[in-house]
Amino acid sequence: QLVESGGGLVQPGGSLRLSCAASGFTISGYWMHWVRQVPGRGLVWVSRINSDGGSGSTNYADSVKGRFTISRDNAKNTLYLQMNSLSADDTAVYYCAAGTVSYWSLGYWGQGTLVTVSS
Amino acid sequence: QSALTQPASVSGSPGQSITISCTGTSSDVGAYDFVSWYQQHPGKAPKLMIYDVNNRPSGVSNRFSGSKSGITASLTISGLQAEDEADYYCSSYTSSITWVFGGGTKLTVL
Repeated sequence: QLVESGGGLVQPGGSLRLSCAASGFTISGYWMHWVRQVPGRGLVWVSRINSDGGSGSTNYADSVKGRFTISRDNAKNTLYLQMNSLSADDTAVYYCAAGTVSYWSLGYWGQGTLVTVSS
Repeated sequence: QSALTQPASVSGSPGQSITISCTGTSSDVGAYDFVSWYQQHPGKAPKLMIYDVNNRPSGVSNRFSGSKSGITASLTISGLQAEDEADYYCSSYTSSITWVFGGGTKLTVL
């Protein structure tokens, strides 16, 4: 399973680091993604990292580019999302997902962690 | 990175078939055969139902099928069952090396 953690309440302009720990399978062979969802709204893709996390291996939605950084530690079987300069628009449930079925789809998802940006 | 276009809602009776459309552009749906579909029940994480346009992951019922023509992809659910009632999202890889989701479609089983 994939288990997200690190969500919570943060003030505008603040930072937060999300983690996604895998158990029962190894993430090292898979592209990994972060997807967010405002409660009651649709899914929004946030970021992707390829299997080894090397140079040029990350991609971001325009809305988070320059503020969010995706990374992974395959030895710890964990995915991360460093979120800086947070605003109310970043309030959402954040899901991590693994491309376990194909490179281009998100085959396995965590249960999500809620990030609330508010003063 | 505009969202793919899906109908807000569709409905059908048990046993019937329904189709959900997903319209993109020549930079996403029309450019690649990398469309996937996700089912999400209230309060739950999304679940992959179709990948790479028309492939079913292991364990997904063969009542679910996908197709694509030009810039529009479709998800068809045959033999509707009460448990199919959920939100459905399409997604596509894009030429910007990003992914984009549709706005979601709420399926009601009457």
